[in-house]
Amino acid sequence: EAGVAQSPRYKIIEKRQSVAFWCNPISGHATLYWYQQILGQGPKLLIQFQNNGVVDDSQLPKDRFSAERLKGVDSTLKIQPAKLEDSAVYLCASRVQATNEKLFFGSGTQLSVL
Amino acid sequence: QQQVKQSPQSLIVQKGGISIINCAYENTAFDYFPWYQQFPGKGPALLIAIRPDVSEKKEGRFTISFNKSAKQFSLHIMDSQPGDSATYFCAASTSGTYKYIFGTGTRLKVLA
Repeated sequence: EAGVAQSPRYKIIEKRQSVAFWCNPISGHATLYWYQQILGQGPKLLIQFQNNGVVDDSQLPKDRFSAERLKGVDSTLKIQPAKLEDSAVYLCASRVQATNEKLFFGSGTQLSVL
Repeated sequence: QQQVKQSPQSLIVQKGGISIINCAYENTAFDYFPWYQQFPGKGPALLIAIRPDVSEKKEGRFTISFNKSAKQFSLHIMDSQPGDSATYFCAASTSGTYKYIFGTGTRLKVLA
């Protein structure tokens, strides 16, 4: 079974630039999450999708972050404009709907904002 | 109330020893408590999970102990091995929302 795919693996940008991350969840997984993991901290939920609808985006800084999940499969997370404090690993995770609660994580995109 | 507090921040254990990581929560609506293991450059992977209707769950060398009244749960790694060296995260979620709240992580190093 293929895992959660994320790209790019690394990204270095200047502050105020924009950046986009891509995630392809495991086939058939209806729920998709984007997490932000700052060095030395636990993952922090940014947004949760169920199919192509947003379930929770209460911790997404909507003035600069946006995310979409077209057709309920792939998802993109965008930051515009980036700030120094956005430097982190951005993790995508997916889960089978219904009673299965196991989260499958991708390897993440490591973002450095200079 | 949505926080999950994890300790210690780091832990060094001799090979063959027992590693113990603790977590505490406040929200009594949490009903699913997983532990994730993360190696450098990789995403977290589910290690073991427990629901509050049992006080202990064991899978191989890994055991979760759960104390509902104290709102605490812990991970015990028996016969710790150098390959167990990783960062461990506890988490909690509520059925229905499946919104996972993660602890701050424990960096475990097992000395050979």
